[in-house]
Amino acid sequence: QKEVEQNSGPLSVPEGAIASLNCTYSDRVSQSFFWYRQYSGKSPELIMSIYSNGDKEDGRFTAQLNKASQYVSLLIRDSQPSDSATYLCAVSRNAGNMLTFGGGTRLMVKP
Amino acid sequence: GAVVSQHPSWVICKSGTSVKIECRSLDFQATTMFWYRQFPKQSLMLMATSNEGSKATYEQGVEKDKFLINHASLTLSTLTVTSAHPEDSSFYICSHREGISDIQYFGAGTRLSVL
Repeated sequence: QKEVEQNSGPLSVPEGAIASLNCTYSDRVSQSFFWYRQYSGKSPELIMSIYSNGDKEDGRFTAQLNKASQYVSLLIRDSQPSDSATYLCAVSRNAGNMLTFGGGTRLMVKP
Repeated sequence: GAVVSQHPSWVICKSGTSVKIECRSLDFQATTMFWYRQFPKQSLMLMATSNEGSKATYEQGVEKDKFLINHASLTLSTLTVTSAHPEDSSFYICSHREGISDIQYFGAGTRLSVL
């Protein structure tokens, strides 16, 4: 079992819809969770970080964390074609520890 | 977030030559930097952790004599791919962890093509 698992996709959604990206992790003591966006041929850029159970909203993005289920998700509202990218979930045990990345989910937003 | 400058962005070299990739921290002191490799359609794979003033810590399976990392100052870390071969062709990315947090900010990446 991989430490951080994501469906590779592609996940295809129409423009304006909500895109839902999911991630599960195996290390129960994980404390920090991140979503990065990576455009083709580019390096990852941080979108959201979340540390506590529940939802965290930032503009069109909402991260959701459920530590009991070892599950973290990213919702993108009003999806735009420019959101088309690979979304990487990353997890670490605590501050100062290494990040473990999932394989990424490729999102395609169709006009 | 912290700015990490990485160059070159793209390099093509002949098999058997060495290539140096630089990562500079522009507005912070980079005590620790990370080096990743990413093959097409795959996720990031951590190669090594670069510590200023000391030897890098390599991940299992990464040849330290082939991938030389030097972090001689708080603003510069370098990765040298020695005697490069076509199988070393990949996207190499450095990142910095800001302070004691675990948020990492990435350089723009270097695409290496070995002919």
